[in-house]
Amino acid sequence: DIQMTQSPSTLSAYVGDRVTITCRASQSMNSWLAWYQQKPGKAPKLLIYKASTLESGVPSRFSGGGSGTEFTLTISSLQPDDFATYYCQEYNNFSPWTFGQGTKVEIK
Amino acid sequence: QVQLVQSGAEVKKPGSSVKVSCKASGDTLRGYSISWVRQAPGQGLESMGRIIPILGVTHYAQNFQGRVTMTADKSTNTAYMELSSLRPEDTAIYYCAKPNDDGYNYYWGQGTLVTVSS
Repeated sequence: DIQMTQSPSTLSAYVGDRVTITCRASQSMNSWLAWYQQKPGKAPKLLIYKASTLESGVPSRFSGGGSGTEFTLTISSLQPDDFATYYCQEYNNFSPWTFGQGTKVEIK
Repeated sequence: QVQLVQSGAEVKKPGSSVKVSCKASGDTLRGYSISWVRQAPGQGLESMGRIIPILGVTHYAQNFQGRVTMTADKSTNTAYMELSSLRPEDTAIYYCAKPNDDGYNYYWGQGTLVTVSS
C-alpha cells in the first residue's frame, strides 16, 4: 500500500493565521490526491481533489498544491469554523485509497 | 440526491464476524468504487479498501487482507463489508463512501458503530 505521512499531527493557530499542512506519499502519485475536513461526530467533507481543485461550495481560503510525492493544504486566513481535523487521501489506481494520519487544527 | 444508508449498530464477541450493509439511493453502484473506512474512538480515518461493483474487483488494505470481504449486489444497489476474527481493537465506526462524478469520495453513509466486547 502507498503510505501517506502528514505533518504536523497537531497545529495550534490563531484566527486569521495562514496555516499549511503537508502530506508526503511513499511513491509518486501524480495529482491523484484529495483533502478532507472532519469535525467530531461527522463524516469527512471533501475540500480539494486532484491535488488543487477546490470542491464546489468550499471557501476560497482553502487551497491545495503539489504533485508527485509532496502535497500541501493551505488555509489563507483561519476562521473559527476551520478548527477541525484534516486528512489527505491518495487515489491511485489499484490501491485501497489510503489516508494520512490526520492533522488536528486547534485554537491557540 | 444521492444517499448512502448503512445498517445499524452491532455488538459482537471477539472471534466472531460482522457484516455491514450500505444501500445507495438516488444513484446506482455501477461504474464507481464503494470504499469502506473505519474510525476507532479518538483515532484517525483508516481505509479498509474498496470494491468496484461493475467489475467485481476489490482492493483491500494490507492491514485487513485475509479478514475483510467486500461484496456488492447491483440489483439492490447495496454494498457489503464483512470483517471476520473480530478483536476488541476493531471497535470503531465503519463508513461506506461513494465518489462524485470527479471520482473522489463525496457521499458518505451515516456510519455504523461496531463494538467488539466479551
